[in-house]
Amino acid sequence: DAKTTQPPSMDCAEGRAANLPCNHSTISGNEYVYWYRQIHSQGPQYIIHGLKNNETNEMASLIITEDRKSSTLILPHATLRDTAVYYCIVSPDRGGSNYKLTFGKGTLLTVNP
Amino acid sequence: GAGVSQSPSNKVTEKGKDVELRCDPISGHTALYWYRQSLGQGLEFLIYFQGNSAPDKSGLPSDRFSAERTGGSVSTLTIQRTQQEDSAVYLCASSQARKNYGYTFGSGTRLTVV
Repeated sequence: DAKTTQPPSMDCAEGRAANLPCNHSTISGNEYVYWYRQIHSQGPQYIIHGLKNNETNEMASLIITEDRKSSTLILPHATLRDTAVYYCIVSPDRGGSNYKLTFGKGTLLTVNP
Repeated sequence: GAGVSQSPSNKVTEKGKDVELRCDPISGHTALYWYRQSLGQGLEFLIYFQGNSAPDKSGLPSDRFSAERTGGSVSTLTIQRTQQEDSAVYLCASSQARKNYGYTFGSGTRLTVV
């Protein structure tokens, strides 16, 4: 039970922003939102995570709604190499007893030239 | 090393044979995880090690599967009497517990049971 809902696939034009949505309506107060991606034939790669504030790093931005029931991962200038399956995961913080991440089916983002 | 190292990268074995898959986590990472990914499927949690605590084995699909982690570092996943349904990519990840960093995954071992 992944606790998140994502569209199965999305397309984006190269150079444009890719906005990947995720619903996590049952998120608990101590659960973070994590995003990973998996490029074909590789292991998943950590992208970003957040609790309630918006976050930005060199890879992406994470926008979490005020009620924390949904979030959006933003790749500001998508490239062909960003084509991958993107996973949105909720998980307790490291002080909790359940560390394992449960991966759902994710969103296959295809960046088109 | 700089990343999580898994070996072998590919393994073909005959049905009924035992296999061992190895994972070298990032130095200093106290948490280690095994997942598997069947063709076209999502990641399935198998087992989790954290320091000296008892491992969380709740994801192991049968008693043919076992894993150990020696000295808090290298881990070995063993599959006994392999079956064709065991064919998958087996992924190892490590992380620094108590810090909210993500996992770092290895490139996986592709196991094919023929």
